[in-house]
Amino acid sequence: EIVLTQSPDTLSLSPGERATLSCRASQSVTNSHLAWYQHKPGQAPRLLIYGASSRATGIPDRFTGSGSGTDFTLIISRLESEDFAVYYCQQDGGSFKTFGQGTKVEIK
Amino acid sequence: EVQLVESGGGLVQPGGSLRLSCAASGFSFSSSWMAWVRQTPTKGLEWVANINYDGSKNYYVDSVKGRFTISRDNTKNSLYLQMNSLRAEDAAVYYCAKDLMGHFDYWGQGTLVTVSA
Repeated sequence: EIVLTQSPDTLSLSPGERATLSCRASQSVTNSHLAWYQHKPGQAPRLLIYGASSRATGIPDRFTGSGSGTDFTLIISRLESEDFAVYYCQQDGGSFKTFGQGTKVEIK
Repeated sequence: EVQLVESGGGLVQPGGSLRLSCAASGFSFSSSWMAWVRQTPTKGLEWVANINYDGSKNYYVDSVKGRFTISRDNTKNSLYLQMNSLRAEDAAVYYCAKDLMGHFDYWGQGTLVTVSA
């Protein structure tokens, strides 16, 4: 089982600032099958990035995913008010999928 | 427009059973892998199970193997999760999700399962 560890647990930033979120895997993620989701309270999670770096439909270009192997990063270039949420990474290990524990991006 | 609508959540005693349903529309359900993902305040999101197009293949997280069963009815565009021998740690919001090559591109709003005496 691949364990995903996200850092930091909480990121306190102001609107307009840049957010850098990290996701580290306990072993190499197959074919960069790594996705990122945004989750707000009371809402369905929203797919942001798949394949480590491909933006999902309708996702603004201020969201950028990168990385391979065991180290992955999500960057939000300039935070907007609607971006304050919890972000999860997720890997597809074929028959077994795991999520990271989440990074909360909160307003400073 | 893709819609996934879960139902069937509620309060159940430890050891009890519950069946969740998910009504799908707006995409080719019978051509899509589907999944259940749950969220708890302590563990965040956790993949529970997924199922292939025709229901012939299914996979589970270890903690629910032997207790939960995922199934589908393509004639009704519906996904199900039969949950037996429920434990306190199964309490969560359960989401139905469309599984596209290992990631989840559409999600429902979720249904709350509470396990308590």
